[in-house]
Amino acid sequence: NAGVTQTPKFQVLKTGQSMTLQCAQDMNHEYMSWYRQDPGMGLRLIHYSVGAGITDQGEVPNGYNVSRSTTEDFPLRLLSAAPSQTSVYFCASSWGQSSTDTQYFGPGTRLTVL
Amino acid sequence: AQKITQTQPGMFVQEKEAVTLDCTYDTSDQSYGLFWYKQPSSGEMIFLIYQGSYDEQNATEGRYSLNFQKARKSANLVISASQLGDSAMYFCAMRSLGTASKLTFGTGTRLQVTL
Repeated sequence: NAGVTQTPKFQVLKTGQSMTLQCAQDMNHEYMSWYRQDPGMGLRLIHYSVGAGITDQGEVPNGYNVSRSTTEDFPLRLLSAAPSQTSVYFCASSWGQSSTDTQYFGPGTRLTVL
Repeated sequence: AQKITQTQPGMFVQEKEAVTLDCTYDTSDQSYGLFWYKQPSSGEMIFLIYQGSYDEQNATEGRYSLNFQKARKSANLVISASQLGDSAMYFCAMRSLGTASKLTFGTGTRLQVTL
C-alpha cells in the first residue's frame, strides 16, 4: 500500500494564480481531510470529507475549495493564491470520523506564494 | 472548545536515556482520542501512539508509551532508550466527535538526542 500520497511536493505560485493540490489514498478510508501547518501554530483543518460526495468546512476554509468524487481522491483547489496561503499542506485519511480512528498523513506539499 | 498544550518548546536528551514529553488537554467531551505524531526534518507526519479516553491501561508501542492521567487531563509521551533518529518535532493531538472530527494539535516539542 502506498498509503496517502500528495503531489506536488513543492510549488511556487504568483499572487492570483490558481492550482490544485492532489491527494490520494489506497486504504479505502472514508474520512479525508486537509490541514495547513504554519510556524508556531500547529496544524489547522481546512476542509474535510466523510465520504464520496460529502465535504464540509474546517476552521480555515476561506480561499480553498474541495470535492470528493471518489473514495480515493480528495483534491484541494486554491482559487486565487495569496501570500497568506504560503504554508505546508497535509492531506490525511482515516477509516471513519470516530475519536478512535487514527488519521494517517501524506508527505505534505510546501507551497510558496509570491 | 478543545485545546492541547505542550509547554516544552525544546528538549535535549542523551542517547539511550528516557525522555518524557508533556501534553495537557482540555475538552468537555467524554469520548476522545489522544495521539502523538513525530515530524522529522524531512517534514512528514508519522503516527506514533494512540490512547482512548475510556482505555484503562496506558498505551505502549515499542519504545513509546503514553502516560495517561485522565483526572489531570495529561497524556505525556515517554520515549525509552532514546536514539539519534528520535530527533524530531513531536506533536500531541486530540480527536473527538462534534468538532468536524478534526485533530486538534499542540504547538509541538522539538527533541534533540545527543551523544
